[in-house]
Amino acid sequence: ETGVTQTPRHLVMGMTNKKSLKCEQHLGHNAMYWYKQSAKKPLELMFVYSLEERVENNSVPSRFSPECPNSSHLFLHLHTLQPEDSALYLCASSQESFRDDTFNEQFFGPGTRLTVL
Amino acid sequence: LAKTTQPISMDSYEGQEVNITCSHNNIATNDYITWYQQFPSQGPRFIIQGYKTKVTNEVASLFIPADRKSSTLSLPRVSLSDTAVYYCLVRTGANNLFFGTGTRLTVIP
Repeated sequence: ETGVTQTPRHLVMGMTNKKSLKCEQHLGHNAMYWYKQSAKKPLELMFVYSLEERVENNSVPSRFSPECPNSSHLFLHLHTLQPEDSALYLCASSQESFRDDTFNEQFFGPGTRLTVL
Repeated sequence: LAKTTQPISMDSYEGQEVNITCSHNNIATNDYITWYQQFPSQGPRFIIQGYKTKVTNEVASLFIPADRKSSTLSLPRVSLSDTAVYYCLVRTGANNLFFGTGTRLTVIP
């Protein structure tokens, strides 16, 4: 257990569905992240939230919409996805210092395995 | 972002020491070198981080030469449970984590 939970663990959806992925961290961290891991591809950073504000969005299509209502929860809202969006979606959290370049390990959740039909 | 290059896969017998080398020719002065481990259907897990010379913790050692253009993760006496993908990352600040393709280590009985 890393202190980061994700639900659901598996999700199958059609291209016209709307669904949401949920992430919760129990570590008191102030930064949260969404990553995408496709088969045979490196992990891709999608979104970064620091102090509940989005600080990075790596050219992610608008069919993925993140939400961070507080420092412990992070959502990824999905709509009109494509089959190529099928992947493992990982959430992570870390404690940011904001003052210097001190190390801040990212703790990952187990991921949500998403299949888009 | 400094990119990393590491072998795609490695095999090792149980009980042997495993060394995985990573190249990061464009590493910047402020960059740290970090290694993560990932088991199937799980998120990556931090193993070790270093800036220069040698770092050792309870699970691994990290060797970084003076020019810092490469690093070597050393796993002592591997067991079957060490079979996983190992990622070498170069990071400047927590947000800039770039995961390459990693090295798939298979430990053979």
